[in-house]
Amino acid sequence: AQRVTQPEKLLSVFKGAPVELKCNYSYSGSPELFWYVQYSRQRLQLLLRHISRESIKGFTADLNKGETSFHLKKPFAQEEDSAMYYCALSGLSSGNTGKLIFGQGTTLQVKP
Amino acid sequence: ETGVTQSPTHLIKTRGQQVTLRCSSQSGHNTVSWYQQALGQGPQFIFQYYREEENGRGNFPPRFSGLQFPNYSSELNVNALELDDSALYLCASSLAQGGRANYGYTFGSGTRLTVV
Repeated sequence: AQRVTQPEKLLSVFKGAPVELKCNYSYSGSPELFWYVQYSRQRLQLLLRHISRESIKGFTADLNKGETSFHLKKPFAQEEDSAMYYCALSGLSSGNTGKLIFGQGTTLQVKP
Repeated sequence: ETGVTQSPTHLIKTRGQQVTLRCSSQSGHNTVSWYQQALGQGPQFIFQYYREEENGRGNFPPRFSGLQFPNYSSELNVNALELDDSALYLCASSLAQGGRANYGYTFGSGTRLTVV
């Protein structure tokens, strides 16, 4: 079964501390993994995707197929990083419609 | 360039009624997906429309149906509303090429549906 698991509902850190938001997935095939972010009173927006291998707002995420994980990391958290973060998966098999399977989300709270 | 707009923003309906939610896709996008987000949960895929046809469906009953219009806007219809249908309904658009979405989804702000 296709599934995305984010084990932490809330992650609270102090400004300047490292951040790691955990994401594990279950998928029998070649998945594409994403992180979406929702800031307060804003709409859901794409933060990064594993295929791009880029760093956005200081965040990076590496796909680990052996551990079926796609953890989101940032070395030094900023207060403006406080938001809800969703890990999402989409398959790259034929007939794929591009549907996204989301985890339950992790609220990141960065304290001053 | 305009983003994805959804209407209405909030709606209260009685159990058993029918509801229609609307979505205008981002300019240049040809694919629309609908998601249901219950409180405290991540969004769940309902279905996707491409070239005015359903192009994939999640685990939702047939009373959830949709339409896509020639201008790529879309409607989500839910018949025989149940209390558990209370949720935030999100619309997302993207540009698909060759029938496959390129995953650059733009999400709307959603419609908050309450069924009483």
